[in-house]
Amino acid sequence: QSVLTQPPSASGTPGQRVTISCSGSSSNIGRNYVYWYQQVPGMAPKLLIYKNNQRPSGVPDRFSGSKSGTSASLAISGLRSEDEADYYCAAWDDSLSGPGWVFGGGTKLTVL
Amino acid sequence: EVQLVESGGGLVQAGGSLRLSCTASGFTFSNYWMSWVRQAPGKGLEWVANIKQDRSQKFYVDSVKGRFTVSRDNAKNSLYLEMNSLRAEDTAVYSCARENKEAAGFDFWGQGTLVTVSS
Repeated sequence: QSVLTQPPSASGTPGQRVTISCSGSSSNIGRNYVYWYQQVPGMAPKLLIYKNNQRPSGVPDRFSGSKSGTSASLAISGLRSEDEADYYCAAWDDSLSGPGWVFGGGTKLTVL
Repeated sequence: EVQLVESGGGLVQAGGSLRLSCTASGFTFSNYWMSWVRQAPGKGLEWVANIKQDRSQKFYVDSVKGRFTVSRDNAKNSLYLEMNSLRAEDTAVYSCARENKEAAGFDFWGQGTLVTVSS
């Protein structure tokens, strides 16, 4: 079971807007930045959003991130077929048992 | 061009050991924290360990503490993961990833090397 909680699946039709949620706690999302990664099956993950809502160069502005309290969201607007992939949220966790990076379980996005 | 290339994966029996390597190029390796991240077949991403630029800090996920050791050789632009007392649940593709200096996440990833632990 992952430390960060994501819905296992999401879907939408081309042109639609979809959101993917990520729920954590005070030791991770509550006090640290949230990151989002996109992974096409068989490929290495790609950084999509960093520091809650920043996009690396080359990532379309259709992708946006937000954070509130111990939760975060990734929004994809103008959905396209090439957006079909797995999406993961991540954050640094300042757990007393030992700090480290934690990921969500991943959300499989299907473009109908 | 930034490149991260892992090697050393393979088939090993439960209880056995394996050493993974990650060779970096295209950037100043000694300036970055580096991580190992694994992905079991059909499963999600799991961070395993990371190491600071000067090796002064290392962190591990609870499930590998006492069994895995992360190290690096900045002169050889290489990152390592020594894995002992391997278990079936350690079966995964292990990838190295660069941690961006500006707290901008894992900005580059390798393609990974498959470790299969047979029980």
